[in-house]
Amino acid sequence: DTGVSQDPRHKITKRGQNVTFRCDPISEHNRLYWYRQTLGQGPEFLTYFQNEAQLEKSRLLSDRFSAERPKGSFSTLEIQRTEQGDSAMYLCASSSGEGLNGYTFGSGTRLTVV
Amino acid sequence: AQSVTQLGSHVSVSEGALVLLRCNYSSSVPPYLFWYVQYPNQGLQLLLKYTSAATLVKGINGFEAEFKKSETSFHLTKPSAHMSDAAEYFCAVSEGTGGFKTIFGAGTRLFVKA
Repeated sequence: DTGVSQDPRHKITKRGQNVTFRCDPISEHNRLYWYRQTLGQGPEFLTYFQNEAQLEKSRLLSDRFSAERPKGSFSTLEIQRTEQGDSAMYLCASSSGEGLNGYTFGSGTRLTVV
Repeated sequence: AQSVTQLGSHVSVSEGALVLLRCNYSSSVPPYLFWYVQYPNQGLQLLLKYTSAATLVKGINGFEAEFKKSETSFHLTKPSAHMSDAAEYFCAVSEGTGGFKTIFGAGTRLFVKA
């Protein structure tokens, strides 16, 4: 078990471009979560999956954002037409069951929109 | 709706001194509570969790936290700070009415002086 992996670690993109991030959770974990963290703030919930089903999306997740978890394994988070306000660290986490024993986080993808 | 308030965005202690990081929660049902630590440019790591078994919870690296229902608090303590404890600490809450997704506080940055 290599933990939760996120790719890429860093992404610099021009405003208006589309970006896609990938998260590989711990293989036995059925739940996968996406959070966004800006400088000096705590992680903000974006969305989560139980297996392949997306169970909840935050109001923070505008229609430019889409997440998928095909086959209940890895997940992708896509941001279309990026804006400077999208610059943040995007964190992925996974858990078994309902996560009552806590989450395992990846190292995050830092997005900079210029 | 569940929420978490961390009192003090920055706390500074001398090496060897007591560490006290404050957290108050709001929840309509018995909550599950967590403390996570984050080192620069890394994801979050679980320090400890409260899941209604015992009110005093011991975690990794010598940290512990006490659940006080009457005060809706879950403060994190460590008897003697070490330089390696310098990091960002996040209190978090999870509850069934929220689908057991975890909501994080804004964080407290701990500085340890030599």
